[in-house]
Amino acid sequence: EAQVTQNPRYLITVTGKKLTVTCSQNMNHEYMSWYRQDPGLGLRQIYYSMNVEVTDKGDVPEGYKVSRKEKRNFPLILESPSPNQTSLYFCASSPPAREQYFGPGTRLTVT
Amino acid sequence: RKEVEQDPGPFNVPEGATVAFNCTYSNSASQSFFWYRQDCRKEPKLLMSVYSSGNEDGRFTAQLNRASQYISLLIRDSKLSDSATYLCVVLDAGNMLTFGGGTRLMVKP
Repeated sequence: EAQVTQNPRYLITVTGKKLTVTCSQNMNHEYMSWYRQDPGLGLRQIYYSMNVEVTDKGDVPEGYKVSRKEKRNFPLILESPSPNQTSLYFCASSPPAREQYFGPGTRLTVT
Repeated sequence: RKEVEQDPGPFNVPEGATVAFNCTYSNSASQSFFWYRQDCRKEPKLLMSVYSSGNEDGRFTAQLNRASQYISLLIRDSKLSDSATYLCVVLDAGNMLTFGGGTRLMVKP
C-alpha cells in the first residue's frame, strides 16, 4: 500500500530533550516536506526537500533540523524542544509539481 | 495579505443542501490548484485537483478562474459525512504548496 508513515504518532517530552520524528514514504517520491498545524494558523511549512541531500527552509524553520540521506526518509529533528513547538506535525511527499500525500500526523507536547 | 484566503466558516447546512466554498490566491504565477479535505486531528487528504475548464467528481464540482485568481468548490446533496474542513491549496512553479486556512463545514441531520 502506497503510504507516508510517521513515528511516533504521539509524544510528550520535556523542554530541552532532543527528539526525532521519523517520516518514510514508499512511493519513490522526490519531494518531501514537514508542516506544523496550530489552531488559527493553519498548515505552515517547516522544511522541504527536493531530493536526496537537498533540503531548504520553509516558513517556520527555527528550532528544527532535517536530513535527507535516503529518498524514502526525511526525519525531523528538534535539538532542544521548547513549549512553543507543541503542535501537530505532518510529513508529506509528492512527485515534482504534483499534489502531496500526507502522513497521519504526530502530536507533540513539550512541557 | 494572506497568499491563499478562505472564509473560515463554519458553514452549517442541512443534509441535502448545496454549499459552495470560495478561495482567492495572490500569486498570479501559481501553477496548480487543489482542494483537500481534513477531518478533525487527521491528515489532509486530496479531494480533487482543479482544472482550468472546471471538473466534477460525483457530488463535487471545482472551478478555477485564473483572471480573477479565484477557486471554488461546490458540494451538492450534502451528506453528514461531508462534515470536515476543506483546504484550498495552491502550487507554485517552484513546487511550493501554499494552504488556505480552511473552511469548516458542518452538515446537520
